[in-house]
Amino acid sequence: GAVVSQHPSRVICKSGTSVKIECRSLDFQATTMFWYRQFPKQSLMLMATSNEGSKATYEQGVEKDKFLINHASLTLSTLTVTSAHPEDSSFYICSARDRQGGNQPQHFGDGTRLSIL
Amino acid sequence: KQEVTQIPAALSVPEGENLVLNCSFTDSAIYNLQWFRQDPGKGLTSLLLIQSSQREQTSGRLNASLDKSSGRSTLYIAASQPGDSATYLCAATGNQFYFGTGTSLTVIP
Repeated sequence: GAVVSQHPSRVICKSGTSVKIECRSLDFQATTMFWYRQFPKQSLMLMATSNEGSKATYEQGVEKDKFLINHASLTLSTLTVTSAHPEDSSFYICSARDRQGGNQPQHFGDGTRLSIL
Repeated sequence: KQEVTQIPAALSVPEGENLVLNCSFTDSAIYNLQWFRQDPGKGLTSLLLIQSSQREQTSGRLNASLDKSSGRSTLYIAASQPGDSATYLCAATGNQFYFGTGTSLTVIP
């Protein structure tokens, strides 16, 4: 079945560091990828929708200059958390939808647990 | 590895009916169980989150229950409406997210 690979699975770094998370669709092409985050004991929340070849669409309250999204190819989207601070510690997960569109399901990565010290 | 199963895969009901969606998971060592709604071409919308220490959560016409010992969760939708038509996903959260395959719901006017 369709597979989405998310890397790294776990990141621990110092405050002020920029962290890049990759999301790859391994056996299908994705024109759209979604980025989510989940704070402890809270629900998974959509951050932004990443569209291949164009600017990402951010949800209300998500800072686009802090969470840089690049979707340069049909199989790769990256999320960069710039100058990360402890409050950015969270679980980040991506999903990708097959470019065939329509009612194609989304396929999810396993997530990245980010811890900022 | 955690395995999450949702039954049925598809469900079609007339408007106004109450319905139950089922989710089962194999590893009871979870942090929480979440239910999501997925509309075509859209990102996930979180519906309900049940912490591992809780047994149920309610939001409007939705009620979700959790029985960790049996590895089951249900999502109850009361008085269904055509706008409820969507795919419903459950996810068991441990060190990673483990999503079920979803139930496609169609509510017929």
